[in-house]
Amino acid sequence: EVQLVESGGILIQPGGSLRLSCVASGFTFSNYAMNWVRQAPGKGLEWVSTITDSSSHIYYADSVRGRFAISRDNSKNTLYLQMHNLRAEDTAVYYCAKAPLGDYWLALDYWGQGTLLTVS
Amino acid sequence: IQLTQSPSFLSAPVGDRVTITCRASLGIRNYLAWYQQKPGKAPKLLVYGASTLQSGVPSRFSGSGSETEFTLTISSLQPEDCATYYCQQLLGAPLTFGGGTKVEI
Repeated sequence: EVQLVESGGILIQPGGSLRLSCVASGFTFSNYAMNWVRQAPGKGLEWVSTITDSSSHIYYADSVRGRFAISRDNSKNTLYLQMHNLRAEDTAVYYCAKAPLGDYWLALDYWGQGTLLTVS
Repeated sequence: IQLTQSPSFLSAPVGDRVTITCRASLGIRNYLAWYQQKPGKAPKLLVYGASTLQSGVPSRFSGSGSETEFTLTISSLQPEDCATYYCQQLLGAPLTFGGGTKVEI
């Protein structure tokens, strides 16, 4: 069974830095691209970043480029999101989501339960 | 690429046929997915490639369309279908989502 478990969300002051983690199990993590998606309270979904299986390609939303960095440790089955210079508008539940095998621009087929980051 | 979903809210009785529309500002071929999100839960993939049903999703859900106009149809609305539905384009980064459609019984 595919499981994605996010952690690291806290209450933090504007300007602070934080790293979110997502531990994967139930599939061969190193074979799949991974994503971060966020959802502000009461709002819709916003894609944040994608990293391919070998980290050879990385993509960011304009709203976070230069402040956030996605990475992965395939030996630990873990996805990360390093966040700097946090703003109030970064307040959201952050989900990690897995891409299907092969075409990683096909869908986000499994999602974690999310971790809440509050910047205030 | 912007995605516009309509309606933003709909209410229908059990058993009704329900259709949600997603319009893309540019042609995205069939790089469109649909998700269902229930309150307090993570989104769940329903349809990818515009029309391919994800494994385990009930057959009353179906997707269609290409390029700029897409639809998600629930052929017979069930109580457990109360949720917010989002479309997502995956033609390339930046990926974008529609604004969502809240479905109530």
